Amino acid sequence: DSGVTQTPKHLITATGQRVTLRCSPRSGDLSVYWYQQSLDQGLQFLIHYYNGEERAKGNILERFSAQQFPDLHSELNLSSLELGDSALYFCASSVLGRGETEAFFGQGTRLTVV
Amino acid sequence: AQSVTQLGSHVSVSEGALVLLRCNYSSSVPPYLFWYVQYPNQGLQLLLKYTSAATLVKGINGFEAEFKKSETSFHLTKPSAHMSDAAEYFCAVSYNQGGKLIFGQGTELSVKP
Repeated sequence: DSGVTQTPKHLITATGQRVTLRCSPRSGDLSVYWYQQSLDQGLQFLIHYYNGEERAKGNILERFSAQQFPDLHSELNLSSLELGDSALYFCASSVLGRGETEAFFGQGTRLTVV
Repeated sequence: AQSVTQLGSHVSVSEGALVLLRCNYSSSVPPYLFWYVQYPNQGLQLLLKYTSAATLVKGINGFEAEFKKSETSFHLTKPSAHMSDAAEYFCAVSYNQGGKLIFGQGTELSVKP
């Protein structure tokens, strides 16, 4: 158990809909990262938040947005969903600034758009 | 653009045989390097990491990796494969502490009895 919790584990929704994926980082971790894993693109970095502020953006679509709340949990919002958005979405957390370099991953949310 | 290349999307070995999974990165600046393992329907678990302390890095489950700057490689090895090692393995790099991870495409390891 990595200590990173993601909910829900599975999500099936229709095209055009909006969903919210939730991530609770490890206790004490200030950084949260979101990654998308798909068969054609592999594992792609989406966005990084540190202590409530956006730190870096990767290949994140404009239809997607994220935020990190004061209690450090994070949400990834996906809207106007398309079939191609079907993927496994991972959240990871790490301590930034204490010499640690690795990120700890949650179990992922498998999103299926039908 | 910075990238990570894993040679071989699928590697099959016999139980007890040497495991060698290859990873090369593209950068003139040594990055932080990681190997992660993903079991079916699971998240990514860190196997080991290189952060410039030592070129030979030992990880969990008997895996180790050697950083070779001249070859820009970070290959993963295990002397004797076990059935439980069957999984997908990802090499990843980061170019600053706590920065985003850039992943290779993954190598699926099969272990035959």
